[in-house]
Amino acid sequence: QSALTQPRSVSGSPGQSVTISCTGTSSDVGGYNYVSWYQQHPGKAPKLMIYDVTKRPSRVPDRFSGSKSGNTASLTISGLQAEDEADYYCCSFAGSPYVFGTGTKVTVV
Amino acid sequence: EVQLVESGGGLVQPGGSLRLSCAASGFTFSNYWMSWVRQAPGKGLEWVANVREDETEKFYVDSVKGRFTSSRDNAKNSLYLQMNSLRAEDTAIYYCAKYNGYALDYWGQGTLVTVSS
Repeated sequence: QSALTQPRSVSGSPGQSVTISCTGTSSDVGGYNYVSWYQQHPGKAPKLMIYDVTKRPSRVPDRFSGSKSGNTASLTISGLQAEDEADYYCCSFAGSPYVFGTGTKVTVV
Repeated sequence: EVQLVESGGGLVQPGGSLRLSCAASGFTFSNYWMSWVRQAPGKGLEWVANVREDETEKFYVDSVKGRFTSSRDNAKNSLYLQMNSLRAEDTAIYYCAKYNGYALDYWGQGTLVTVSS
């Protein structure tokens, strides 16, 4: 199972919006509505930000939203804040295993 | 508060074995699938294994099949990963995570496994 494809990096100014794409195939992203997104700050454990493509855990700010079209899922961060600077990984169910994305570094400039 | 605490990592020679543990608290451990995810130094996340609540189903990434075995003791609220025939490419931080639906909603802080001679 190959890793899902994400851009290596994206950047934005405080208050702006950024979108991270996550491209897979019909065997993973396109085949199931089970895409999740994780935020990871340096030296820390990942944190769940979005699950089931669009759902957000109660502890996650509503600035974070998810969507999917075909074989590509997306995470949008609206109103970018300094603390959003981190690595972000998508993940999709793909039958019995799961597959993660390659990861995207979000920089707040 | 959900807490997951991994232990058992360390330095091991190629071909050696190691057993990781994950102590869970703050939720009803026996009601949830659990997972192991690893992250090689400076690299991305890689899902390793899933274990059903009653251990009747277990799934592994192809690269560890036949070498790694995940188990659990619901009476002790603990998850384990027995790793045999370790290779240099198994060097990583190993996280245990609580599996909820089709996502990992809580993660431990991880334990580092280094395979080197």
